[in-house]
Amino acid sequence: NAGVMQNPRHLVRRRGQEARLRCSPMKGHSHVYWYRQLPEEGLKFMVYLQKENIIDESGMPKERFSAEFPKEGPSILRIQQVVRGDSAAYFCASSPKGSEQYFGPGTRLTVT
Amino acid sequence: EDQVTQSPEALRLQEGESSSLNCSYTVSGLRGLFWYRQDPGKGPEFLFTLYSAGEEKEKERLKATLTKKESFLHITAPKPEDSATYLCAVADSGGYQKVTFGTGTKLQVIP
Repeated sequence: NAGVMQNPRHLVRRRGQEARLRCSPMKGHSHVYWYRQLPEEGLKFMVYLQKENIIDESGMPKERFSAEFPKEGPSILRIQQVVRGDSAAYFCASSPKGSEQYFGPGTRLTVT
Repeated sequence: EDQVTQSPEALRLQEGESSSLNCSYTVSGLRGLFWYRQDPGKGPEFLFTLYSAGEEKEKERLKATLTKKESFLHITAPKPEDSATYLCAVADSGGYQKVTFGTGTKLQVIP
């Protein structure tokens, strides 16, 4: 059973561009979570989704950030008009029943 | 708001020198406490879930225990390959969706 997949693994964007991060959950998992991790800081919850629904987005900045988990295809975390402060590692996790979460390898976003 | 505090921030052990990592938590009704291992440049790897005080779980050289206020991750006779950052996280009675993580303990095991 393949684990959680994320791509790209590394992404470089100039200020003002858009970043699109993709996450394919483990087979059979219908719950997806996105986290952000800054150096020397803990993982910060951003958003929790199930298929076609955003369940909890309380950790996501109100502007420029959006997430979706369509009926078909991966979950997408989209950051519009990126700024230097968006540089971080973004992790996706999935779970089968909203219990323990299994993480992907992360996408490291660098904004220049 | 849920809080998770891990100590020490960093720990350096000789190979074979047993020790414990601490995770103190404040939560409005514990739904579950999780331990993860994170290697540099990788995503967290799930280790254990503990649900109620008194519960213990073991995996190879690792043993996790839980009280009403804290959890311990005991490492017995560690090896260099146990070097990693160990993360503790909690989910409150509001459900599993919003998990609060501590900042981790960075463990280095020296041969």
